[in-house]
Amino acid sequence: KNQVEQSPQSLIILEGKNCTLQCNYTVSPFSNLRWYKQDTGRGPVSLTIMTFSENTKSNGRYTATLDADTKQSSLHITASQLSDSASYICVVSSSYSTLTFGKGTMLLVSP
Amino acid sequence: NAGVTQTPKFQVLKTGQSMTLQCAQDMNHNSMYWYRQDPGMGLRLIYYSASEGTTDKGEVPNGYNVSRLNKREFSLRLESAAPSQTSVYFCASRLRGASTGSPLHFGNGTRLTVT
Repeated sequence: KNQVEQSPQSLIILEGKNCTLQCNYTVSPFSNLRWYKQDTGRGPVSLTIMTFSENTKSNGRYTATLDADTKQSSLHITASQLSDSASYICVVSSSYSTLTFGKGTMLLVSP
Repeated sequence: NAGVTQTPKFQVLKTGQSMTLQCAQDMNHNSMYWYRQDPGMGLRLIYYSASEGTTDKGEVPNGYNVSRLNKREFSLRLESAAPSQTSVYFCASRLRGASTGSPLHFGNGTRLTVT
């Protein structure tokens, strides 16, 4: 069964600090992995996509990594801001066009 | 540019009542989806429509029906609401299938409470 596990479930950090969110998956055959950000009361918004051949990709203060051998991805947030407070959801696509969602990591950035 | 629009934003129903959740997208996307989001459960697929004229069941279809009215609109109907259907419902669309890497574009949700 395809699964996506995210850790930690929740995280509190001080404004300006860095943090790393983890995503482990068992989805086969793998097609791509996407990180979404979901602000409270809003729908998820795509941050970045990782394909099999990509190891690292940056989008501003967000850097995603992918290790296809160990089936792990991480999302690193640099110099956090209050607006980074949100739920971050990892979603893995299979080559059969199915999507498997993680349950998300709730990040709170404290002033 | 509205993206994906869902109505209503909030709804309270009594057990046994029916209602239809509306969704429209203005991005000329082919595929549309209905998800529900519950605490600790993540997003779960209810129904989807890969293209105009087709609909398929997702992971949790029981108690729901859908209609792909045209390329823009995809509605979700609860025929006889139950307390277990209390949830936040999200409509999403994408240009092509998941394996192509097209991102999902979500609406801002309908918060439904069934008493």
